[in-house]
Amino acid sequence: EAQVTQNPRYLITVTGKKLTVTCSQNMNHEYMSWYRQDPGLGLRQIYYSMNVEVTDKGDVPEGYKVSRKEKRNFPLILESPSPNQTSLYFCASSFWGQTNTEAFFGQGTRLTVV
Amino acid sequence: QKEVEQDPGPLSVPEGAIVSLNCTYSNSAFQYFMWYRQYSRKGPELLMYTYSSGNKEDGRFTAQVDKSSKYISLFIRDSQPSDSATYLCACCSGNTPLVFGKGTRLSVIA
Repeated sequence: EAQVTQNPRYLITVTGKKLTVTCSQNMNHEYMSWYRQDPGLGLRQIYYSMNVEVTDKGDVPEGYKVSRKEKRNFPLILESPSPNQTSLYFCASSFWGQTNTEAFFGQGTRLTVV
Repeated sequence: QKEVEQDPGPLSVPEGAIVSLNCTYSNSAFQYFMWYRQYSRKGPELLMYTYSSGNKEDGRFTAQVDKSSKYISLFIRDSQPSDSATYLCACCSGNTPLVFGKGTRLSVIA
């Protein structure tokens, strides 16, 4: 089954404690991205990657890191989480440079930073 | 001005009503237009996909693009309680990341 898998689904952590949210896709997509979704603000892109070892900042990259060492994985790293990073996070993947640019989303990770 | 503007609602309609959801965009290079549906506590899923101007119909859903006015619409006929969700429009130009609207929250009341 084609899917994007995020883990964990729910996470409560304390300020300053480094965490990683994993994302994996099995569709051989070149393009992967991370979004956060907040009430009234919609989906905002954090980082994206057009292929292995190619990453770039989205609209709200501050406080986040990513890496793309393998095509299928795109982890999101919060080195020192703060309460304003409490949000619902989505990973998405799609083909790149083709007319079919349907993005497939993971199930979401609800992060609470206290 | 954001590249894609969408009224966040919420929108509440009775079962059986015709629903009209709308977005405007500012980037003339956009050629691909999509509607995603997001149920509560789930990730968005592609609902409709159109290229350039015109209409596309799929069952009770019709997507409409008017590139001259940079306006995209999603119509839902005979709306059902199961249509209750957040609907997000998205646009791109083929070699650019998708740009999403904020989403419109729809409730269909039985």
